[in-house]
Amino acid sequence: AQTVTQSQPEMSVQEAETVTLSCTYDTSESNYYLFWYKQPPSRQMILVIRQEAYKQQNATENRFSVNFQKAAKSFSLKISDSQLGDTAMYFCAFMKTGLASGTYKYIFGTGTRLKVLA
Amino acid sequence: KAGVTQTPRYLIKTRGQQVTLSCSPISGHRSVSWYQQTPGQGLQFLFEYFSETQRNKGNFPGRFSGRQFSNSRSEMNVSTLELGDSALYLCASSSLKDRIIYEQYFGPGTRLTVT
Repeated sequence: AQTVTQSQPEMSVQEAETVTLSCTYDTSESNYYLFWYKQPPSRQMILVIRQEAYKQQNATENRFSVNFQKAAKSFSLKISDSQLGDTAMYFCAFMKTGLASGTYKYIFGTGTRLKVLA
Repeated sequence: KAGVTQTPRYLIKTRGQQVTLSCSPISGHRSVSWYQQTPGQGLQFLFEYFSETQRNKGNFPGRFSGRQFSNSRSEMNVSTLELGDSALYLCASSSLKDRIIYEQYFGPGTRLTVT
């Protein structure tokens, strides 16, 4: 069974600094997708970044980038130039693809609470 | 486009009662998934509906059920509520490519408190 592990329950970072959130996963699949979602204190979860497992190039979205290590099954999120608005719970998620019937598994980690300090 | 909406936003029920939560997906999205979020367990997948059919199901008891209407709106029902059902219930809608969902767009959630 697939699992997603976020080993850092809480982190803090000074405004304008860089922080890296860790995520590891376990799967025997070769085709899958990985996501980072952000849930600010207002609770609406939003997608931050997505990575296709078949792509070697790390995904980047503005100040957010990932370090995808497929062999190590690691998918960390780097936030550069941290801003107060980045304060949120961050969830790593795994999705298995390639299932002809349309069934899938979308598995979330337990989250990392990030606080950006002024 | 309007985002995913969920009603009600807050709900207080007593043990043994039942509750129905509603979710309206983003226009054009045909897949709706439901999650239970608690501090201890994180996000737990309940089920997914696509074209009015339950396509995927998590490991929750039969007290948790759902349905989807022809306009893709979805409802989730919990019968015989237990204290442990207190949680934030999130709905997420997705567009599809080759019948597979990718990104999920989440609603604000319904905070259910069972007393």
